[in-house]
Amino acid sequence: QKEVEQNSGPLSVPEGAIASLNCTYSDRGSQSFFWYRQYSGKSPELIMSIYSNGDKEDGRFTAQLNKASQYVSLLIRDSQPSDSATYLCAVRKVNRDDKIIFGKGTRLHILP
Amino acid sequence: DGGITQSPKYLFRKEGQNVTLSCEQNLNHDAMYWYRQDPGQGLRLIYYSQIVNDFQKGDIAEGYSVSREKKESFPLTVTSAQKNPTAFYLCASSSAAAAETQYFGPGTRLLVL
Repeated sequence: QKEVEQNSGPLSVPEGAIASLNCTYSDRGSQSFFWYRQYSGKSPELIMSIYSNGDKEDGRFTAQLNKASQYVSLLIRDSQPSDSATYLCAVRKVNRDDKIIFGKGTRLHILP
Repeated sequence: DGGITQSPKYLFRKEGQNVTLSCEQNLNHDAMYWYRQDPGQGLRLIYYSQIVNDFQKGDIAEGYSVSREKKESFPLTVTSAQKNPTAFYLCASSSAAAAETQYFGPGTRLLVL
């Protein structure tokens, strides 16, 4: 089982709809979870970080964490064409010396 | 402006040549990282450093070398031993206080002639 798994996509969502991106992880000791957005040819930029079970909202973005089921998701409300990008899920274990493990990313395409 | 800079943006390597990628940060971050990204792939850790004059191998260190002589700088050398160096190289940094959150530079694309 891969440490951090994401559906590679592409995920196509109509403009104005909700985009839902999912990620599962294998290590139950994981404590820190991140979503990065990466435009083609560019470097990843941090969108959200989440550390405890439940929802965390920031503007149009909501991160959801369920440690019992070992999944983390990102919801994008009122999707815009500018949201079209690859979204990387990243997970760090409890020991701060441990590395962050990145998923391969999900390509999101917002249809105008 | 605070941030992470990488140079050059594009780099061409000839057969048997060593090349060095630059990474500089003025965020006063203690930790710095080098990742490699291949098309359709996630980020793979090459080397990381949590303090000056100390660094550790990541998952794919073979064929690469680093140094950390200054807090602000973490150059990566791609040696001739790296047989498939064509990739997008990303440098990142994080502070000790918020060690989990990594911020990335703009990247260097390395191509083999």
